[in-house]
Amino acid sequence: DVQLVESGGGLVQPGGSLRLSCEASGFTFGNSWMSWVRQAPGKGLEWVANIRHDGIEKHYLESVKGRFTISRDAAKNLVFLQMSGLRADDTAVYFCASPLNYQLQFGFWGTGTLVTVSS
Amino acid sequence: QSALTQEASVSGTVGQKVTLSCTRSNNNMGNYAVGWYQQISHGAPRTVMLGNSPPSGIPDRFSGSQSGTTASLTISGLQPEDEADYYCSTWDYSLNAVVFGGGTKLTVL
Repeated sequence: DVQLVESGGGLVQPGGSLRLSCEASGFTFGNSWMSWVRQAPGKGLEWVANIRHDGIEKHYLESVKGRFTISRDAAKNLVFLQMSGLRADDTAVYFCASPLNYQLQFGFWGTGTLVTVSS
Repeated sequence: QSALTQEASVSGTVGQKVTLSCTRSNNNMGNYAVGWYQQISHGAPRTVMLGNSPPSGIPDRFSGSQSGTTASLTISGLQPEDEADYYCSTWDYSLNAVVFGGGTKLTVL
């Protein structure tokens, strides 16, 4: 079974940094685009970033460009989201997602990790 | 403003057929498939449709279609457990980004 387990969320002050991790298992991680999707309190789903299987091609939501960096460790089946310059509107549950059939869509989801940006 | 437009809310009775729509505001999705995701009480999303194919384990009352700039998710024989928020998404090649619709709250009366 596919499993995606996020970690690294927490409370951080505005301007601070945080690194999220997602441990993947149950599928061919090395062939898969991986994504981060977030959901602010009471709001809808919002895609944040994705990374190609080889780690070379990456794409970001416009509002996080220059502040967030997505990366992956193929040997450990991990994907990361390094977040810096955090703002209050980055407060959200962050979900890790992997594809099914279509590389740029989401077949499987983690349970999410909460990031709260507040002083 | 989302590039994908969904109804804010839809309701139906048990056993009824309901259709949720997802309309593109432009043509910049090309032939990319639309995904549909079910979310109950802001828990982890669950994928119920990718293009017109449901993932394994999704009840066969769920079906999907795409025509022109609109994708649809149809639930034939609505069940109480289908009450949830439903989101659509696709790849926008002009933005090089995944875009989501604003979500539809489905209520089972």
